[in-house]
Amino acid sequence: SQQGEEDPQALSIQEGENATMNCSYKTSINNLQWYRQNSGRGLVHLILIRSNEREKHSGRLRVTLDTSKKSSSLLITASRAADTASYFCATDVRRDKIIFGKGTRLHILP
Amino acid sequence: GAGVSQSPSNKVTEKGKDVELRCDPISGHTALYWYRQSLGQGLEFLIYFQGNSAPDKSGLPSDRFSAERTGGSVSTLTIQRTQQEDSAVYLCASSRPGSNEKLFFGSGTQLSVL
Repeated sequence: SQQGEEDPQALSIQEGENATMNCSYKTSINNLQWYRQNSGRGLVHLILIRSNEREKHSGRLRVTLDTSKKSSSLLITASRAADTASYFCATDVRRDKIIFGKGTRLHILP
Repeated sequence: GAGVSQSPSNKVTEKGKDVELRCDPISGHTALYWYRQSLGQGLEFLIYFQGNSAPDKSGLPSDRFSAERTGGSVSTLTIQRTQQEDSAVYLCASSRPGSNEKLFFGSGTQLSVL
């Protein structure tokens, strides 16, 4: 079963613009993570935000978490062609069980 | 090795045959996860191991699927009597002891059932 649902399913923006992706989840969590996947193979961890945090930054990434709404957003600022990938949120439905959403496919246009 | 290693990277098999997929996690990582990803879809949770035990097998799609882990290291995912709907990328990930906060993924096994 899916815990997280990303929105939108697909997003195309011009290089240099900001990209925002959202994730909604169903159960209580300890933390929420965002991953990137290139070319349909292995995922790479981007950033983690804990349930007692509201916002976190890492380079051009900004993540927010609203536990009352059970939602998170990932903002990529000043997008680059190399940011073209699929982005997934992941939540710990219970200790050590990590469930991923369906992902957002991001395409950066030159 | 430096990362999570999966083998084979690609497997083509005939319907009805059994297949075995292997995952070699990062040394010292006690948690190991298997996911399945169909074309253009999200990751479907299959099973995870803490050491050699699997606390949660609820994601395995049917009794044709089984997984084991020995010595707290290598894991194998076995699919018996493969069906065409089993075609997907099977991804393995591992994480450090006491931490589910960062999963390290292998490159996956692309399984094609003809």
